[in-house]
Amino acid sequence: DGGITQSPKYLFRKEGQNVTLSCEQNLNHDAMYWYRQDPGQGLRLIYYSQIVNDFQKGDIAEGYSVSREKKESFPLTVTSAQKNPTAFYLCASSIGGYGTGGQAFFGQGTRLTVV
Amino acid sequence: EDKVVQSPLSLVVHEGDTVTLNCSYEVTNFRSLLWYKQEKKAPTFLFMLTSSGIEKKSGRLSSILDKKELFSILNITATQTGDSAVYLCAVLHTDSWGKLQFGAGTQVVVTP
Repeated sequence: DGGITQSPKYLFRKEGQNVTLSCEQNLNHDAMYWYRQDPGQGLRLIYYSQIVNDFQKGDIAEGYSVSREKKESFPLTVTSAQKNPTAFYLCASSIGGYGTGGQAFFGQGTRLTVV
Repeated sequence: EDKVVQSPLSLVVHEGDTVTLNCSYEVTNFRSLLWYKQEKKAPTFLFMLTSSGIEKKSGRLSSILDKKELFSILNITATQTGDSAVYLCAVLHTDSWGKLQFGAGTQVVVTP
């Protein structure tokens, strides 16, 4: 089945450790995104990528890093520099491109808890 | 600064009631407005609105965009408990390559 898969669903991290969240899609979409969701704040954009080997910072990129070595994959690393990493992380993809519409498809999310 | 504001933040209704959710926006280079439903984890797409005054319908849900007054509404008629969810509004900019700017969401609880 076509879709977007995030793993793991739940993740616990000790303070000071880096952790990587996985996001894979088989929709052949060019664009991929990482959002963070906190209670009462909706979704905020962390990073996005329009094409392989290229990505841009979103609104809250500090303390995060990404890579886009393959079209299908867009992993997010939460570094120890992120001051408040406990949150729900959503990955999304879309066809992308100007004038092609903006419907994004979302993964099931990863809930990260720092202990 | 661009912003997307949803209201109310939450509401509780009885089954069978009609619900109206609001989304106002102040953004540069507006292209489209999208509505998503988030029940537990992954938001699912409901509507994308690009033109003003044209209502989009899907079953008991409908939505319309007013580009002059810069807002959209999402209506749910004859609500059911399965409509309980967070409803997210998002704006797509013309230069964003699909990047969405979200509002905070409206939590809807439908009681039996």
